[in-house]
Amino acid sequence: DVVLTQSPLSLPVTLGQPASISCRSSQSLVYSDGNTYLNWFQQRPGQSPRRLIYKVSNRDSGVPDRFSGSGSGTDFTLKISRVEAEDVGVYYCMQGTHWPRTFGQGTQVEIK
Amino acid sequence: EVQLLESGGGLVQPGGSLRLSCAASGFTFSTYDMSWVRQTPGKGLEWVSLISGSDSRAYYVDSVRGRFTISRDNSKNTLYLELNSLRAEDTAVYYCVAGSSGPRDWGQGTLVTVSS
Repeated sequence: DVVLTQSPLSLPVTLGQPASISCRSSQSLVYSDGNTYLNWFQQRPGQSPRRLIYKVSNRDSGVPDRFSGSGSGTDFTLKISRVEAEDVGVYYCMQGTHWPRTFGQGTQVEIK
Repeated sequence: EVQLLESGGGLVQPGGSLRLSCAASGFTFSTYDMSWVRQTPGKGLEWVSLISGSDSRAYYVDSVRGRFTISRDNSKNTLYLELNSLRAEDTAVYYCVAGSSGPRDWGQGTLVTVSS
């Protein structure tokens, strides 16, 4: 199975400051169709996961533009340009290239 | 608006069975791959099973293969997951999700607790 390793696992951030989460894959996530199916999800307390980013860098409708995704192959990053209070939660990367689909362990973002 | 409404969770003894259902609306269900994803405090998120929209081909993670069965009824816009030979480690919130490579839409989840 593809292992996705996130770092850090805990991320205390000051309001208004940037934050960055890394996701490294044990295998290339480039699919045979040329797409890279690496996604980012946010899960707020008591809620279902919400997709923020799909195919590495595409932001979902309604997602604030302070969220951005980048990377290629096996190394990916989610960045929040200026953290707001509503960004508290757990962030997961997820690969949709290989079966079984897999998730990273999650990164807890909290406000300092 | 896409809606996914899971039901069927509950408390079951080890070795027991349950059937989860997911009623879908707001999109053309028959054309979508559909999946079940579970979440436990200890193991995080785990993709359990996927069924294709085109030919209902089913895929399972190794830990549930042979015990769980995914199916769909396109006439009822409903996804199912039959859980058999349940173990304590199957205790989780089970989510119905639309799509397979990076699902945007998730249900609210249904809790399955396996305990004597």
